[in-house]
Amino acid sequence: SQQGEEDPQALSIQEGENATMNCSYKTSINNLQWYRQNSGRGLVHLILIRSNEREKHSGRLRVTLDTSKKSSSLLITASRAADTASYFCATLQGGSEKLVFGKGMKLTVNP
Amino acid sequence: DGGITQSPKYLFRKEGQNVTLSCEQNLNHDAMYWYRQDPGQGLRLIYYSQIVNDFQKGDIAEGYSVSREKKESFPLTVTSAQKNPTAFYLCASSPEGGVTNEKLFFGSGTQLSVL
Repeated sequence: SQQGEEDPQALSIQEGENATMNCSYKTSINNLQWYRQNSGRGLVHLILIRSNEREKHSGRLRVTLDTSKKSSSLLITASRAADTASYFCATLQGGSEKLVFGKGMKLTVNP
Repeated sequence: DGGITQSPKYLFRKEGQNVTLSCEQNLNHDAMYWYRQDPGQGLRLIYYSQIVNDFQKGDIAEGYSVSREKKESFPLTVTSAQKNPTAFYLCASSPEGGVTNEKLFFGSGTQLSVL
């Protein structure tokens, strides 16, 4: 069953701009993770935020989590053409062993 | 170098045929997973294993089977009972499974198509 839903489903920006992707979920979670997938490839883990955290940074990535609204956002600053990919949020639901992925969001960064 | 290796990259299945997708990891991870990805869709969990000789059904296990005889290997068989097998199959592993699952490492995937 799908848990996270990314929004927007597709985003096209110019190099150097910031990209913001949102993820909403339905049930309580242990953690929320963001992954990136280049076309025809496997997923790569980007960042994890735990349910008791509100914000995390990793390089040009900033993730926020609002458990009261059951939502998270991923901000990529100063985007590059190489950031072009699909991005997925995934949630580890409370008490569950399974990581549940959203449908993903396609980001295109134009040079 | 360390990682997860999936083979083959492309696989074709004839009607009524069983096919097996290979997944090998040398990361010494306990947990391994199989996901199915359809175009424009997220990943759906087929089977997972948190320890050798043990595995559990995911959300879409019907028509699939797995084995976990060795820690480093988790092959997936797509049986003839799976009527719509065309998809991109992803294998993943993590150091620990269960409620402490913090990060999945993915292979590069196998594209399965029906002839």
